[in-house]
Amino acid sequence: EPEVTQTPSHQVTQMGQEVILRCVPISNHLYFYWYRQILGQKVEFLVSFYNNEISEKSEIFDDQFSVERPDGSNFTLKIRSTKLEDSAMYFCASLGTANTEAFFGQGTRLTVV
Amino acid sequence: AQSVTQLDSQVPVFEEAPVELRCNYSSSVSVYLFWYVQYPNQGLQLLLKYLSGSTLVKGINGFEAEFNKSQTSFHLRKPSVHISDTAEYFCAVSPGTSYGKLTFGQGTILTVHP
Repeated sequence: EPEVTQTPSHQVTQMGQEVILRCVPISNHLYFYWYRQILGQKVEFLVSFYNNEISEKSEIFDDQFSVERPDGSNFTLKIRSTKLEDSAMYFCASLGTANTEAFFGQGTRLTVV
Repeated sequence: AQSVTQLDSQVPVFEEAPVELRCNYSSSVSVYLFWYVQYPNQGLQLLLKYLSGSTLVKGINGFEAEFNKSQTSFHLRKPSVHISDTAEYFCAVSPGTSYGKLTFGQGTILTVHP
């Protein structure tokens, strides 16, 4: 069964460092999303991406964040200069035109120290 | 904008007992409704969804949910739970123009005891 895969499963980074979280969406999907869940809080929408551009973003998704689809298979989330409060579980999701629900990856736990 | 409230943060229950996980939402537009489950160390997996039509929807693993528009609720039920149902359950809504931009509730941890 096709699935969304995320790497790494856990990343530890120092405050101020750049980090790139990687996702491989399901191959024929066209809509891509990033969500995050800070420990003990709700899963929050960050950004949606379609046709090689951001289609919608939340207030959380400020200039420190960027997304990219560098090739036909990967979808990345970059945080330029990490802060302690960026520590969270980050979920990637994808959606095909024939689907009526998003498919989620298993998440990347980011710890900023 | 939408918001979702899951009324119980934790629900302990004994094996083979029935369970109901409650979810209420608010929205100024029509919405689609979803329940996702997260097993330990795994991603979010869709349990069931309501898009339109019959208000009682059935999902995987014997779960069902009923959409009640007047009460803006979408409670999840299972008549007899198993140990393997122990997980965190998330209610979510998306605006009627998008299936992927979800607003989640805070989650309910279901713990099934033997």
